[in-house]
Amino acid sequence: QQPVQSPQAVILREGEDAVINCSSSKALYSVHWYRQKHGEAPVFLMILLKGGEQKGHEKISASFNEKKQQSSLYLTASQLSYSGTYFCGTDNDYKLSFGAGTTVTVRA
Amino acid sequence: DTGVSQDPRHKITKRGQNVTFRCDPISEHNRLYWYRQTLGQGPEFLTYFQNEAQLEKSRLLSDRFSAERPKGSFSTLEIQRTEQGDSAMYLCASRPTGAKTEAFFGQGTRLTVV
Repeated sequence: QQPVQSPQAVILREGEDAVINCSSSKALYSVHWYRQKHGEAPVFLMILLKGGEQKGHEKISASFNEKKQQSSLYLTASQLSYSGTYFCGTDNDYKLSFGAGTTVTVRA
Repeated sequence: DTGVSQDPRHKITKRGQNVTFRCDPISEHNRLYWYRQTLGQGPEFLTYFQNEAQLEKSRLLSDRFSAERPKGSFSTLEIQRTEQGDSAMYLCASRPTGAKTEAFFGQGTRLTVV
């Protein structure tokens, strides 16, 4: 079952912050975050693992609440390059399922 | 490392025809995924291979869809008797062994059924 993301879309001005949420009805081992720009393939941002380990992007941070089966992606001091659609992916026995995405538009 | 390669990039076919897409994963990635993506939606899981074994296939897929990964290298996705509702971007992703590994996506094959 695919994870649920919110909000569906967000519009920011450069320098503003945003939070994207992801929740699952299943217990999670890890959560992945990807960004997709128009006409391109999704690109890996971060993996968050049970126990608090993280791997990924230097300027974008995320959290993972294992008990609540939720993850949040934090876009801090957003840049124009942050525009795109963000997907969370949940990993259950190596099956990777994605949410519907959150479209982020950063304006100058 | 040349990345995940998909062929063709675009395919236009008439309703009722069969189509086959190919995915070449990053070498030594033992896991390979197929997804379907329509406009404004996330990648929808279709099927997943570990080496040559197909471990899971989405229940959303009808029997018209089949995928193979002979010898655990490249993979093919075939759609038989295509319908207009099959029009979408078909994405392939590969991933190395391990739980802390990310998936690498190909550029996708855009299918248009007319």
